[in-house]
Amino acid sequence: DGGITQSPKYLFRKEGQNVTLSCEQNLNHDAMYWYRQDPGQGLRLIYYSQIVNDFQKGDIAEGYSVSREKKESFPLTVTSAQKNPTAFYLCASTPDSSNQPQHFGDGTRLSIL
Amino acid sequence: QKEVEQNSGPLSVPEGAIASLNCTYSDRGSQSFFWYRQYSGKSPELIMFIYSNGDKEDGRFTAQLNKASQYVSLLIRDSQPSDSATYLCAVKEVTGGGNKLTFGTGTQLKVEL
Repeated sequence: DGGITQSPKYLFRKEGQNVTLSCEQNLNHDAMYWYRQDPGQGLRLIYYSQIVNDFQKGDIAEGYSVSREKKESFPLTVTSAQKNPTAFYLCASTPDSSNQPQHFGDGTRLSIL
Repeated sequence: QKEVEQNSGPLSVPEGAIASLNCTYSDRGSQSFFWYRQYSGKSPELIMFIYSNGDKEDGRFTAQLNKASQYVSLLIRDSQPSDSATYLCAVKEVTGGGNKLTFGTGTQLKVEL
């Protein structure tokens, strides 16, 4: 089945540790996005990528890093510089950068140990 | 800072009634508008999108757009308990690259038996 797969579903981070969240899509979409959602809040854009080997910062990129080496993969690293990483992380994709709606993966819930 | 405003609710309606969810946005040049439904602990799923002034109907859902008033709404007819969720309004940014969305904080809908 075509879709967006995020893993793991739950992740725990120790103080000072970097962790990487996986996002894979088999929809042949060009554009991919990472959002963060805090309880009772809307989604805030962390990073996005319109094509392979290119990505741009969103509204809250500090403490995060990404790569886009393959079209189907857009991993997000939450670094130790991100002091408040506990949140629900959502990956989305669209066929291109036009008006196409974004569709989301199932999300990864990150907590601090 | 572009803003998307929603009443957080909860909005309570009886089963079978019409639920009306509202959203206002600050960027007068915005062109594309999306409604997502999010169940507790789950990722958002696309309900409707609308690009032109007026109404767009899909089953029990109707999206209404008034660009002059910078207002977009979602009507849910014959509301069912399964419609109980948080509804997120999203607006595509006009400036900048990519299909960047700004999300409201969501309106919680409760459909009561």
